[in-house]
Amino acid sequence: NAGVTQTPKFQVLKTGQSMTLQCAQDMNHEYMSWYRQDPGMGLRLIHYSVGAGITDQGEVPNGYNVSRSTTEDFPLRLLSAAPSQTSVYFCASSYLDEQFFGPGTRLTVL
Amino acid sequence: GEDVEQSLFLSVREGDSSVINCTYTDSSSTYLYWYKQEPGAGLQLLTYIFSNMDMKQDQRLTVLLNKKDKHLSLRIADTQTGDSAIYFCAERAGGYNKLIFGAGTRLAVHP
Repeated sequence: NAGVTQTPKFQVLKTGQSMTLQCAQDMNHEYMSWYRQDPGMGLRLIHYSVGAGITDQGEVPNGYNVSRSTTEDFPLRLLSAAPSQTSVYFCASSYLDEQFFGPGTRLTVL
Repeated sequence: GEDVEQSLFLSVREGDSSVINCTYTDSSSTYLYWYKQEPGAGLQLLTYIFSNMDMKQDQRLTVLLNKKDKHLSLRIADTQTGDSAIYFCAERAGGYNKLIFGAGTRLAVHP
């Protein structure tokens, strides 16, 4: 199993550009989440999904959209990037009591 | 609201024990977690404890939970240089996905 994979590993955007961060898992987990990690702070939940076709907002959802058309994939979309979205983004999938994290995407918005 | 707090930095000598502390505010938390993050890497689940337990031991790791004081600690016995990392405490607030993280404790191990 590859576990949770994320692409790209690094990305630089200009303010106002859009992009999609990809996340995939091959463990058949129903639950998936997106977090952002900022210096000196813990991870904060952006959006999550409890299964295909079902998504909900987390703690900091503004500026981000998600969809869940398949169990495997949970992409995160930035429609109009802002410098405040410069961060490291982690995707995770959950099974019972354990949450497995991807390696992260480091995003810089200029 | 939900909040998790940790001290930001801990320095220990190689071979000593490390104790990383965490406090949380949500009394309905069912699970509490410890994650390890090495530089440039994702989060690795170290261990977790269910709220009806007060201690869990896993090799060099000991987790203590004081539910009355909402205090969680992680003890690493015989700390090694490979244990140098950031350690995050997290509580499960609600469903499986909803983890509330502390800011992380940077553990530095020196000879």
